[in-house]
Amino acid sequence: QVQLQESGPGLVKPSETLSLTCTVSGGSISSYYWSWIRQPPGKGLEYIGYIYYTGSTKYNPSLKSRVTISADTSENHFSLKLSSVTAADTAVYYCASTYGDYVKFDYWGQGTLVTVSS
Amino acid sequence: QSALTQPRSVSGSPGQSVTISCTGASRDVGGYNYVSWYQQHPGKAPKLIIYDVTKRPSGVPDRFSGSKSGNTASLTISGLQAEDEADYHCCSYAGSYTLVFGGGTKLTVL
Repeated sequence: QVQLQESGPGLVKPSETLSLTCTVSGGSISSYYWSWIRQPPGKGLEYIGYIYYTGSTKYNPSLKSRVTISADTSENHFSLKLSSVTAADTAVYYCASTYGDYVKFDYWGQGTLVTVSS
Repeated sequence: QSALTQPRSVSGSPGQSVTISCTGASRDVGGYNYVSWYQQHPGKAPKLIIYDVTKRPSGVPDRFSGSKSGNTASLTISGLQAEDEADYHCCSYAGSYTLVFGGGTKLTVL
């Protein structure tokens, strides 16, 4: 059973870059799609994007200019970078994964709250 | 890329059935059979309960069922139980390798 754990700063200043890491245990990073999803306080979920174990990435068009998702297969983790953040980027950030496709999310991390504030 | 439309809240009594709708467009819900539903209890991560419109992952009770008609997908929960009280989110493939979620629906078990 794949287990995911997000880590990173809980507070980021406006205009800076948000950086989070998702550590994978209980399975290899190979053959899975690894995604990031966020949830602003009191609101619905928003898809950010994914990376496949081959290194291929796809992003939500609304965030594409600011997002980078990368993976370190040797360390079994993948990462999210979101640049030029504003208060609107305050959210609980989840990492998630699916074996074999990218149209659903089988496994989720517990989520980590990132607040954008000076 | 617009979010899918879900009712803000629904409610039902134990033992009853409730249906949550998820309305999109031909570019997402209506165009693909890749609708999934997630259950989220307060302070917890979402949990996959329906995928590919109608399929249930192993371990999900058959009280949960999914369907789709045109641009609207639906989640039906029959035989409501207290533990079903949660937020429910729909999600659809929207082409070009991207996905779109609904705004979420709060289910209250009376």
